Amino acid sequence: KNEVEQSPQNLTAQEGEFITINCSYSVGISALHWLQQHPGGGIVSLFMLSSGKKKHGRLIATINIQEKHSSLHITASHPRDSAVYICAVRSGNQFYFGTGTSLTVIP
Amino acid sequence: EADIYQTPRYLVIGTGKKITLECSQTMGHDKMYWYQQDPGMELHLIHYSYGVNSTEKGDLSSESTVSRIRTEHFPLTLESARPSHTSQYLCASSPTGDSAGNTIYFGEGSWLTVV
Repeated sequence: KNEVEQSPQNLTAQEGEFITINCSYSVGISALHWLQQHPGGGIVSLFMLSSGKKKHGRLIATINIQEKHSSLHITASHPRDSAVYICAVRSGNQFYFGTGTSLTVIP
Repeated sequence: EADIYQTPRYLVIGTGKKITLECSQTMGHDKMYWYQQDPGMELHLIHYSYGVNSTEKGDLSSESTVSRIRTEHFPLTLESARPSHTSQYLCASSPTGDSAGNTIYFGEGSWLTVV
């Protein structure tokens, strides 16, 4: 069983739609990351959270430590948001990764 | 912007060849990691290091080795490449410390194809 579960696995949206990606984890964590990976590209960290909520432009990330759950929201989605979004947690000295959500935003 | 670099970015080699994937970071991070990622799949930890002369195997370390002679350098070597090694290899680093250690930075990745 994976320590980090994401849903959905694949998501197709029309430009302008509000998007939510969910992440649940089963281990104790010191931080949670939302990562973005474009096709053929490396991985960048969009957010690092240990509590509450963070906002950066059209992206919002929330975490509920008690429920071991986090969500990534994209408001007014745009084709350039098309990428794989990966939830990752730091537990002890290791990082655990979800399988990723592949998002396609259609113009 | 993360200062972590991987070479080569893309490589096609024949079965049985020896290959070393290079990873360097200029952030002075003690912790470094190698992950393998097949398309559409999760990252699998191959090897990790918590400092110079310290290396550990991850979940998927068979048939590969690493070394950590210098803080900034963490090369991954496949002694005898096989088609099953065709994948993307991602190097990452993280600083030491409870709070700082929460951050992780990734290289651009090395795409390896073994024919």
